[in-house]
Amino acid sequence: DTGVSQDPRHKITKRGQNVTFRCDPISEHNRLYWYRQTLGQGPEFLTYFQNEAQLEKSRLLSDRFSAERPKGSFSTLEIQRTEQGDSAMYLCASSPQTGGAGDEKLFFGSGTQLSVL
Amino acid sequence: AQTVTQSQPEMSVQEAETVTLSCTYDTSESDYYLFWYKQPPSRQMILVIRQEAYKQQNATENRFSVNFQKAAKSFSLKISDSQLGDAAMYFCALYNNAGNMLTFGGGTRLMVKP
Repeated sequence: DTGVSQDPRHKITKRGQNVTFRCDPISEHNRLYWYRQTLGQGPEFLTYFQNEAQLEKSRLLSDRFSAERPKGSFSTLEIQRTEQGDSAMYLCASSPQTGGAGDEKLFFGSGTQLSVL
Repeated sequence: AQTVTQSQPEMSVQEAETVTLSCTYDTSESDYYLFWYKQPPSRQMILVIRQEAYKQQNATENRFSVNFQKAAKSFSLKISDSQLGDAAMYFCALYNNAGNMLTFGGGTRLMVKP
């Protein structure tokens, strides 16, 4: 396993369309995180999963954003009715443990760059 | 709520010299971890160094070391013998077990001059 994989690398869409991004974490990593990064800024936390359970979703930017991790492996992030302000890099990260020291070490994917025209 | 602040938007260093990047943070938790991540033009976040708040000893990783001042809530990164490949965005980040999330600062762009 070579790391966290995200697909696609780039997505161009028209305003109002729905988009879905996929993240495959490192094998056996229990936690999976989604972040958004706009140009020149640090990543902003969106949501995270412990196995298949979504434990924090209050930071999702609006009800147009949703995420799933149906079998505790890969995850998808969907944005409905995209707006130009959604243009950003969407980063996925995973971490190896369920609790205690060490599970805070996040490994990031290369991200999906979304451009909304 | 926890916050991370990086007050230097850009820094420049001559190759082979030493540079220090600043970071301050705020959290009400006593159990937390601090990180520096590097983001090259490829946009992938790479972990540079990690510090547990309960440890007084400053973490080191080869040419990278930190100056962790817990009372001042300061966590600076020192890069020794700077190399051209060190040029990137550097992000300071804070994690606590209560929130289970990593909070990032706004980043510092490091330029390395040959």
